[in-house]
Amino acid sequence: DTGVSQDPRHKITKRGQNVTFRCDPISEHNRLYWYRQTLGQGPEFLTYFQNEAQLEKSRLLSDRFSAERPKGSFSTLEIQRTEQGDSAMYLCASSSRRDSPQISSYNEQFFGPGTRLTVL
Amino acid sequence: AQSVTQLGSHVSVSEGALVLLRCNYSSSVPPYLFWYVQYPNQGLQLLLKYTTGATLVKGINGFEAEFKKSETSFHLTKPSAHMSDAAEYFCAVRRGSARQLTFGSGTQLTVLP
Repeated sequence: DTGVSQDPRHKITKRGQNVTFRCDPISEHNRLYWYRQTLGQGPEFLTYFQNEAQLEKSRLLSDRFSAERPKGSFSTLEIQRTEQGDSAMYLCASSSRRDSPQISSYNEQFFGPGTRLTVL
Repeated sequence: AQSVTQLGSHVSVSEGALVLLRCNYSSSVPPYLFWYVQYPNQGLQLLLKYTTGATLVKGINGFEAEFKKSETSFHLTKPSAHMSDAAEYFCAVRRGSARQLTFGSGTQLTVLP
């Protein structure tokens, strides 16, 4: 396993079109995150899955955005009726879950290379 | 609420000089703190993290950071810059009960020959 992969790496679309991105996490990781990064800014959290359950969504995730992780493995992020303001890098990250109470509950998030979306 | 402020969107240093990238955070509870590096057209790579314990944290590529609770800071340092250190650096915070990271706006590091 070489890490988190994302497809496509680049997407150019016209305003109003729908786009779908895919993320394949590291195989043993049960947590998956989507972030959006606009030019000159740090990544902003969009949503988070534990296995197939979507546990948290940011206010940034408008009704035009939907994310799924149907089998608890890969995830898709769909944007409907794209707008120019959706142009950004969409990053996926994954992490595992450790159950030991003696260890900090944080587990490193490994990031994919991102999908750069340009809406014309 | 929590936020991260990175002072200086662009920092330039000469090769061999000290690197200092500043990060201040606000958090209502003890945070977990991170520094990530991003090379062009690549994802983020974790440099180091502070969760609990020793406040001076050593990371990869010779970087280290010190958690100073009284100053709410987590500045990143490297004694001697290398050309390969040129990249964008992000400070991030995670509140203990949250899963997501909150990132600063990033600092672009340029290393001059």
